[in-house]
Amino acid sequence: AQKITQTQPGMFVQEKEAVTLDCTYDTSDQSYGLFWYKQPSSGEMIFLIYQGSYDEQNATEGRYSLNFQKARKSANLVISASQLGDSAMYFCAMREDGGGSNYKLTFGKGTLLTVNP
Amino acid sequence: NAGVTQTPKFRVLKTGQSMTLLCAQDMNHEYMYWYRQDPGMGLRLIHYSVGEGTTAKGEVPDGYNVSRLKKQNFLLGLESAAPSQTSVYFCASSYYRTGPGELFFGEGSRLTVL
Repeated sequence: AQKITQTQPGMFVQEKEAVTLDCTYDTSDQSYGLFWYKQPSSGEMIFLIYQGSYDEQNATEGRYSLNFQKARKSANLVISASQLGDSAMYFCAMREDGGGSNYKLTFGKGTLLTVNP
Repeated sequence: NAGVTQTPKFRVLKTGQSMTLLCAQDMNHEYMYWYRQDPGMGLRLIHYSVGEGTTAKGEVPDGYNVSRLKKQNFLLGLESAAPSQTSVYFCASSYYRTGPGELFFGEGSRLTVL
């Protein structure tokens, strides 16, 4: 079974609108972390936002927020007021903190976001 | 302000040739990782290291070997390259003592095996 599922291969949004990128995860660990990365067409991996499993508040970083629904095992990324520069591939990832995890991240397959002017 | 540096950035190999990708980080991170990225597959972990002198297999280790003789360096080797190893390879490091422990990535190395 996939540990990270991103069901939207591609998404389109109009500039200045908000967009939600979906991510569901599967783990039996009680302690884990969820990450979102952005990969523009230039190829580099840019860390956006982090949510710990014990964090009660949803994480926010500027225009990025993480809609964390623990019972549903979802960690959706919300981008407010989209900009043309937000066009990129977005990856959701999870770190399981149980014994022997060694802090490695498991990535989803990604969602390609296109922001239209 | 180097962070994580990968060399080479591009390489073309013939089937059966060998090569080594070098990853160097200057952040004193304990953990280092090699991922490969293929279209529609996301990033998949090849091998990783939790400290100098230690390595472990990830999700897709076959056909690759690694070494971490120095804390700052993590080498990925292909002994006999195959076309299936055509991919973009990313090295990453992390320091999971304070903060979220996000991965810091290199710029990637694009490898083509003919």
